[in-house]
Amino acid sequence: AQSVTQLDSQVPVFEEAPVELRCNYSSSVSVYLFWYVQYPNQGLQLLLKYLSGSTLVESINGFEAEFNKSQTSFHLRKPSVHISDTAEYFCAVSGESSASKIIFGSGTRLSIRP
Amino acid sequence: GAGVSQTPSNKVTEKGKYVELRCDPISGHTALYWYRQSLGQGPEFLIYFQGTGAADDSGLPNDRFFAVRPEGSVSTLKIQRTERGDSAVYLCASSLGPSKGDTQYFGPGTRLTVL
Repeated sequence: AQSVTQLDSQVPVFEEAPVELRCNYSSSVSVYLFWYVQYPNQGLQLLLKYLSGSTLVESINGFEAEFNKSQTSFHLRKPSVHISDTAEYFCAVSGESSASKIIFGSGTRLSIRP
Repeated sequence: GAGVSQTPSNKVTEKGKYVELRCDPISGHTALYWYRQSLGQGPEFLIYFQGTGAADDSGLPNDRFFAVRPEGSVSTLKIQRTERGDSAVYLCASSLGPSKGDTQYFGPGTRLTVL
């Protein structure tokens, strides 16, 4: 069975500072990895995903995540955050044999200070 | 185009009552999913439909929970004899197909409160 751990429930950072949101997963099979974002008063939306190929994946708004198989991690990073990045971020995993069933972490609340 | 819609947005009920939550997926999406999100937690998988049939219902917590999708579009999640522990946000998502890694698009959720 798969599981996801997001160790940081809250991450406060100053605007224009870099940020890393940590995600570790456990699985005995090949996995697909996702980061979802939930902006205030909005629904969950996909930020980026890793299916195969290049281990570094990017989003359109400057976030990137790197799949590290040896460390079973999929940390999310951004070199310079903006106020508009304030949101809750969820890391998620699905297994190749049950790709439709996504297992989510408990979320990390990113708060940006001006 | 229109996204996934869910009705009602809020539902307050009393312990022991029956509730129905509705999900309208994105037009043309064959796969539909239900999740439950408790306070301070990430979404928890409940059930997945491919077309009209439940392809994976392993996340349904017990037999009080049931979901249908009779025509392969709209889905209804049904909860019998509600308990206070059922209080949560129920999320619906849809995707184009069952292909591995297909993006799931989420609705705004229904907040269920059981008094």
